[in-house]
Amino acid sequence: GNSVTQMEGPVTLSEEAFLTINCTYTATGYPSLFWYVQYPGEGLQLLLKATKADDKGSNKGFEATYRKETTSFHLEKGSVQVSDSAVYFCALLGGYNKLIFGAGTRLAVHP
Amino acid sequence: DSGVTQTPKHLITATGQRVTLRCSPRSGDLSVYWYQQSLDQGLQFLIHYYNGEERAKGNILERFSAQQFPDLHSELNLSSLELGDSALYFCASSVVTGQYNEQFFGPGTRLTVL
Repeated sequence: GNSVTQMEGPVTLSEEAFLTINCTYTATGYPSLFWYVQYPGEGLQLLLKATKADDKGSNKGFEATYRKETTSFHLEKGSVQVSDSAVYFCALLGGYNKLIFGAGTRLAVHP
Repeated sequence: DSGVTQTPKHLITATGQRVTLRCSPRSGDLSVYWYQQSLDQGLQFLIHYYNGEERAKGNILERFSAQQFPDLHSELNLSSLELGDSALYFCASSVVTGQYNEQFFGPGTRLTVL
């Protein structure tokens, strides 16, 4: 069945450091892929998405490229800020339009 | 603000009780989804409604049920509550289905069962 695997957290970085959060998936076909972010005490916000192989999603300095060869969708940001501290979820769109989420990766950025 | 509203924000109740969670989708969105976020299970899909009709079920317990009304708001009913039902329940909505489905999430209802 479909599944998503994310690197375990927490990830702790200093401000302006480079961020990578790994995400790999198992799926039939080529599903749409998403990164959602959950700030403390809030709901999920869509950060970026990619709907087909080699697509690059980007938003607010974050990027992720849909790699079908490695079944991956790693999240990257060149220079993180304290305000990026949150939990990040990788997800794929499975059958019947249900989102299948990874376990989430907590990011803590310190000044 | 995603445009999806959920009430109540917090709910504290006892085992064996029944509660109803309410969700209003974004204006124009016909699809409503319910997800459960718990420490041991993570984020899991529960159920999907489209324009009043049930479209898909995930790992939703038989004690749980949902419906979508003609005005498109949705309610999730949880009965015979157990301690393990304590979780954050999210509603999401989308205007289309299929590959370009982009789901917008509400702020969630935190349920605590004592």
